[in-house]
Amino acid sequence: AQSVTQPDIHITVSEGASLELRCNYSYGATPYLFWYVQSPGQGLQLLLKYFSGDTLVQGIKGFEAEFKRSQSSFNLRKPSVHWSDAAEYFCAVSGGQGFSFIFGKGTRLLVKP
Amino acid sequence: EAGVTQSPTHLIKTRGQQATLRCSPISGHTSVYWYQQALGLGLQFLLWYDEGEERNRGNFPPRFSGRQFPNYSSELNVNALELEDSALYLCASSLRFRVGSEAFFGQGTRLTVV
Repeated sequence: AQSVTQPDIHITVSEGASLELRCNYSYGATPYLFWYVQSPGQGLQLLLKYFSGDTLVQGIKGFEAEFKRSQSSFNLRKPSVHWSDAAEYFCAVSGGQGFSFIFGKGTRLLVKP
Repeated sequence: EAGVTQSPTHLIKTRGQQATLRCSPISGHTSVYWYQQALGLGLQFLLWYDEGEERNRGNFPPRFSGRQFPNYSSELNVNALELEDSALYLCASSLRFRVGSEAFFGQGTRLTVV
């Protein structure tokens, strides 16, 4: 069965510091992978997606993610965090018989001034 | 182009009542997904509709049900409401089976059961 694990419930970084949010997935074939961001009280906005090709994908707002098949990971990174990046981040996998989107439990990012 | 729209924005119900939540997908999208986002539990997959049929269902009791209409809009019905049903209910839509198509989310309906 498909599953997504985000090991970190909360992460706090200082503004200007680099960021890496972890995501591990379980899926039998090549997955479609996504990162979404949710600001308080809002819906989810797509940051980036991967489904084939270059394993390093670029997204909006300066985010990037790297697909590592050997580690079943799709970690999200940003070189320099801004205060406006404080939000909750969700990793998701899609595909398979059900073709539904399965989300991790999310990582809440706090940004210190 | 209009995004995914959900109504109502907020809904307050009493335990035991029924709630109906509505979702209009992006024009051209045939798939609609429903998720429950309860505090601290992330997004729990509820239902997936496509072309008017239920395609997949998450691990929720039968009192959570829904349907998709010919215009691809969707309703989520929750019967016999319980206090723990209080959550943000998110609807998303996507193109069906298109490689790499992402899900686009609405702003959600905040359901409060008292």
